[in-house]
Amino acid sequence: EAHLLESGGGLVQPGGSLRLSCAASGFTFSSYVMSWVRQAPGKGLEWVASISSSYGSTFYADSVKGRFTISRDDSKNTLNLQMNSLRAEDTAVYYCARELLVIARVVIDYWGQGTLVTVSS
Amino acid sequence: DIQMTQSPSSLSASVGDRVTITCRASQGISNYLAWFQQKPEKAPKTLIYAASTLQSGVPSRFSGSGSGTDFTLTISSLQPEDFATYYCQQYDFYPRTFGGGTKVEIK
Repeated sequence: EAHLLESGGGLVQPGGSLRLSCAASGFTFSSYVMSWVRQAPGKGLEWVASISSSYGSTFYADSVKGRFTISRDDSKNTLNLQMNSLRAEDTAVYYCARELLVIARVVIDYWGQGTLVTVSS
Repeated sequence: DIQMTQSPSSLSASVGDRVTITCRASQGISNYLAWFQQKPEKAPKTLIYAASTLQSGVPSRFSGSGSGTDFTLTISSLQPEDFATYYCQQYDFYPRTFGGGTKVEIK
C-alpha cells in the first residue's frame, strides 16, 4: 500500500523560507503525478501545486506562484516543496498527495499525514 | 477558475439516517469530481472519484452521482464513524478547486 510521509514543517518568520519533503514508499513513485494540498487552521482544503511524472511539468495555485517551487527526485522517491517569501496566510498543514490516472485525468487517491507550517514573527 | 459550491455547509443527523450532500460546479466538469472525508486532526481520505467510483476499501453505504455541474454524495445509513467533514473537488482543470466542506454532526 502507498505510504507518504511529510517532513520539514515548523515555525518561520514572514519573508523566510522553508523546504518541505515527502518520502514515498509502497508504489512506483516515478510513475505518478504528485501534489501538495494545504489547510489553514479551521479552514477548508486548498490545492497548492502538482508535478507530473516523466517530464516534470508543474502547476501552481495563483496564491503561491512565483514563491513556491514543487520538485521531485525519482531516484530518492521524494517530493519537495520549496517555499520562499512566506506570508502569514501560508500558515497551514501541508499534505503530500499521490494522483491516480483515471480516464485521462489524475485524481488524489492517497494522502500523507501532513506537516504544519507556521509563519509568524 | 472553477468554483465548487457545496451544500449544506453543515448538517445534524442520527445514526441510521440517509444523508445527501450536494456539490455544484460553476462550469461543466464532465464526471471529474472527487469526494473526500476528513475527521478532526486527521488527513483527508479519498472516498469517491469519477463522480461515482468508490475508492478501494470504502463501504458501500457511500455512493456518488452526477455529471456536468451537479453532483451528490449519499450515505445510505449513517454510521458513528461517518461523522466528519466532506469535501468535493473538481480535477478536470487546473487550478484544482475544492468545495467549502460539509460538516456532518451527531443529532
